[in-house]
Amino acid sequence: NAGVTQTPKFQVLKTGQSMTLQCAQDMNHEYMSWYRQDPGMGLRLIHYSVGAGITDQGEVPNGYNVSRSTTEDFPLRLLSAAPSQTSVYFCASSYSINPSGNTIYFGEGSWLTVV
Amino acid sequence: AQSVTQLGSHVSVSEGALVLLRCNYSSSVPPYLFWYVQYPNQGLQLLLKYTSAATLVKGINGFEAEFKKSETSFHLTKPSAHMSDAAEYFCAVISRAVGNEKLTFGTGTRLTIIP
Repeated sequence: NAGVTQTPKFQVLKTGQSMTLQCAQDMNHEYMSWYRQDPGMGLRLIHYSVGAGITDQGEVPNGYNVSRSTTEDFPLRLLSAAPSQTSVYFCASSYSINPSGNTIYFGEGSWLTVV
Repeated sequence: AQSVTQLGSHVSVSEGALVLLRCNYSSSVPPYLFWYVQYPNQGLQLLLKYTSAATLVKGINGFEAEFKKSETSFHLTKPSAHMSDAAEYFCAVISRAVGNEKLTFGTGTRLTIIP
């Protein structure tokens, strides 16, 4: 998990609250992405970015917002938290999505509970 | 869209026995394939990846996987299970199709080692 920093590690939110999960990398990676992990469902892609100023939706984007104003940072915003968003969130980054010669790095995860 | 299917959400093997975790992919073009391991309350660690060099890929901790195009499979094996192998294992895929390069995960297989 070298170089990908996620904060906070743990968070409890009330329904309807908003918050931002932070993800930062210091490896000058172009590609960054957010996943959520739920029991029995593996990791599902929420949003991803192929470079500063460029973002796109993944498999489960509803209820989440992202922006990529710098190469280093890729924050994930929950606009109005719902219990269904209780999950573990992982940020990932790589120089390129092409895995030949590249390594995809994952953060250590952010445990979010919405009550 | 590419996807991977992991057969068996839970697998139990005796210590010292063969470990076989199954993964099949669906893609018209052979994709890039990965196996990740996740220990309890931790992030993801790459075990090995297939990027179209040798079809038999050796990874860390004694694991290996063989890419079989005719069977659209990428099963993970280890000749002799160790207690420390108990974890959740995820197969993942990246399509080679331009514009569709996303890392997609299977639903995971939890491996239990019986003493």
